[in-house]
Amino acid sequence: KNQVEQSPQSLIILEGKNCTLQCNYTVSPFSNLRWYKQDTGRGPVSLTIMTFSENTKSNGRYTATLDADTKQSSLHITASQLSDSASYICVVSANAGNMLTFGGGTRLMVKP
Amino acid sequence: DTGVSQDPRHKITKRGQNVTFRCDPISEHNRLYWYRQTLGQGPEFLTYFQNEAQLEKSRLLSDRFSAERPKGSFSTLEIQRTEQGDSAMYLCATTPEGYGYTFGSGTRLTVV
Repeated sequence: KNQVEQSPQSLIILEGKNCTLQCNYTVSPFSNLRWYKQDTGRGPVSLTIMTFSENTKSNGRYTATLDADTKQSSLHITASQLSDSASYICVVSANAGNMLTFGGGTRLMVKP
Repeated sequence: DTGVSQDPRHKITKRGQNVTFRCDPISEHNRLYWYRQTLGQGPEFLTYFQNEAQLEKSRLLSDRFSAERPKGSFSTLEIQRTEQGDSAMYLCATTPEGYGYTFGSGTRLTVV
């Protein structure tokens, strides 16, 4: 069964600090892995997309890594801002991108 | 068309009533997906269209749920005889090729 597990479930950090969110997956055949940011009451917004051959991808203060051997990914947020408070969802795609498996998300709260 | 549009944003309905949601995709996005998301969880797959053809339905999609995409453009999701357990965010996502997905802001359904 295709599964995506994220940790931690929730995280509180102070503004300006860095944090790293984890994603482990068992999805086959792997197509790509995405990280989404979802504000409360809104749809997910794409942060990064990585294919099998990509190890790291950055989008501003967000840097995602992928280890396809261990089936792990991380999302690193640098110099956090209050607006980073949201849920971060790891999504793994199988079957040439046709089906998505979602993680449960990490709820990040950035405090002043 | 700059994004995926969903209507309404919020819907409150009495148990037993029927509701219908609409999703307008990005032009030329031939694949359209419906997801359901409950609080604190990642989205769960409901159904998927390629153009006007409904290619897959989740077991979550009971016989009270029906989705259409009559002309391969907008899609509707109808829930008949709503139950309190149907309360959730219903998300629509579209993609032209299965790589870059764009989500709508969702329809928040509350069944009272």
